[in-house]
Amino acid sequence: SAVISQKPSRDICQRGTSLTIQCQVDSQVTMMFWYRQQPGQSLTLIATANQGSEATYESGFVIDKFPISRPNLTFSTLTVSNMSPEDSSIYLCSVASGGVTGELFFGEGSRLTVL
Amino acid sequence: DQQVKQNSPSLSVQEGRISILNCDYTNSMFDYFLWYKKYPAEGPTFLISISSIKDKNEDGRFTVFLNKSAKHLSLHIVPSQPGDSAVYFCAALRATSGTYKYIFGTGTRLKVLA
Repeated sequence: SAVISQKPSRDICQRGTSLTIQCQVDSQVTMMFWYRQQPGQSLTLIATANQGSEATYESGFVIDKFPISRPNLTFSTLTVSNMSPEDSSIYLCSVASGGVTGELFFGEGSRLTVL
Repeated sequence: DQQVKQNSPSLSVQEGRISILNCDYTNSMFDYFLWYKKYPAEGPTFLISISSIKDKNEDGRFTVFLNKSAKHLSLHIVPSQPGDSAVYFCAALRATSGTYKYIFGTGTRLKVLA
């Protein structure tokens, strides 16, 4: 299994500012993802973080709003840019085991509240 | 288009009884189905998965059943315990050419009453 640490665990942000969330994994992983869970909603995939290249974004998410870095196989960042109250959400880093069960491991999440 | 659906937002069960959580999907190309449990202020944790070529997988108190013709899966927890109270997410995995894509349902909040 993989141990995933996210920072910050929570933050309160002002409208118009940007915040970067860090994700550190205790082992090298190929597949790393960023999810969002808005209040009362499901987990929605924002993007796949690709090591050494640009992230692959899902429909409805763009790089200008959610820039992602993945400098190596154990670390990634997600920035939420020019925040509005609609960005208030839990942001989750996850990695796939790639094993026979296809298990996905999650970090504890970063709860952002935008005022 | 919601490819993975959990139509029951909540479920209450007496301690010791069986909890049955349901999930429906629309895409017959999914390779795996997974169940996750989520407590407040924590990330989801993996419970159990099933390959699309199987119809049942059991792990302790947890059993997942897959009905491919109905595009339906269910998670059975027996006996239910108060510590099982959490939100349960169903997820489907499509793995193509080394790319993994997971799609989650909206979750079912299970409350096990002591």
